[in-house]
Amino acid sequence: SQKIEQNSEALNIQEGKTATLTCNYTNYSPAYLQWYRQDPGRGPVFLLLIRENEKEKRKERLKVTFDTTLKQSLFHITASQPADSATYLCALARAGGSYIPTFGRGTSLIVHP
Amino acid sequence: SAVISQKPSRDICQRGTSLTIQCQVDSQVTMMFWYRQQPGQSLTLIATANQGSEATYESGFVIDKFPISRPNLTFSTLTVSNMSPEDSSIYLCSVELGGGTEAFFGQGTRLTVV
Repeated sequence: SQKIEQNSEALNIQEGKTATLTCNYTNYSPAYLQWYRQDPGRGPVFLLLIRENEKEKRKERLKVTFDTTLKQSLFHITASQPADSATYLCALARAGGSYIPTFGRGTSLIVHP
Repeated sequence: SAVISQKPSRDICQRGTSLTIQCQVDSQVTMMFWYRQQPGQSLTLIATANQGSEATYESGFVIDKFPISRPNLTFSTLTVSNMSPEDSSIYLCSVELGGGTEAFFGQGTRLTVV
């Protein structure tokens, strides 16, 4: 089965810096990889998707990279703000058939003013 | 996009009792998913619910413990039966849109069993 690893330790950074979160996976290569944000007491909210044939995807201050050789995705938040503080989850999905993502346990990001 | 209303948002229950969680979607969807998220853990899929058929359960989850109903294309319920403290967790319903490229979640139900 797919194993997804995200840093269990919280990432603490100063406001204005770039936050970089890592998602590593084993076994099969996913058709696409997603990043979600989860705030305490709330369900995850979709942020970005990157497909297996894409190297990089951007959306406003967010950037995701996908290296299928390293089996790794990096999630960057530039010019971070305290409001970016949350837990960020990566999820992988196979191609075809029913979409059932496998989630990592997430990394907590804390942006200090 | 999809808006999902899930209730209750939280509950404290006595062991041995059952709790039914409701999930209402603002549009018709083929599949709905139920997840469990234990503290500090990833989301674990419990089952997939299709309208008009029995739910498909993942390994480690059984219908007797987690019966699911899916009476129409916008609604589903998950029951946590004969609860024990080990069932204390957050339960989330989810739907996927866009050909499976984006999942939407309810706000979750925080269950505490005492």
